Amino acid sequence: LAKTTQPISMDSYEGQEVNITCSHNNIATNDYITWYQQFPSQGPRFIIQGYKTKVTNEVASLFIPADRKSSTLSLPRVSLSDTAVYYCLVGDKPGGYQKVTFGTGTKLQVIP
Amino acid sequence: GAVVSQHPSWVICKSGTSVKIECRSLDFQATTMFWYRQFPKQSLMLMATSNEGSKATYEQGVEKDKFLINHASLTLSTLTVTSAHPEDSSFYICSATRQGYEKLFFGSGTQLSVL
Repeated sequence: LAKTTQPISMDSYEGQEVNITCSHNNIATNDYITWYQQFPSQGPRFIIQGYKTKVTNEVASLFIPADRKSSTLSLPRVSLSDTAVYYCLVGDKPGGYQKVTFGTGTKLQVIP
Repeated sequence: GAVVSQHPSWVICKSGTSVKIECRSLDFQATTMFWYRQFPKQSLMLMATSNEGSKATYEQGVEKDKFLINHASLTLSTLTVTSAHPEDSSFYICSATRQGYEKLFFGSGTQLSVL
């Protein structure tokens, strides 16, 4: 399993763009990169997933360089409600989530 | 998106009693379910992987006789904490997926407090 490394915490002011980078040097060819968001006392929630280059949805963008050894989650214009822990996961799909392990995650604190 | 329901949301029990937590996939058939536990300010720790109709696969260090997992149907998995003790107090989370799905769907979690 590809191990992931993320910053433990980040602070950002409201309205700013936040970029959280995840390192996954041992990513395998079949692995996808998925980001989840977790609020206190809740289960994680899917944010975005990608394999290479750039993926964008209504809440975030995911940038993956050609070597795929890292990825960056970009949250545009964060608000206070974006304060949460963000986890980067690497694993095979579909049906390959046979053993998904979470790294430390990045605690994002949005400041008014 | 797919919905995973987890019950109860919180439970308080006396030491020595057993507690059952249910995880249901409401609108899809989950071939695989995972159980995690999470201590305050820590990440999720995978406890076991459960495939429908077969025995759960436990992670190293997780006592299978302590944490009984049953995945008897494609929509239901249960975690029973047997003879719970205060050190078992934690936030337990389930997730579900199936072949062809791109992501995991998580339950809302269960906060267990053992007195």
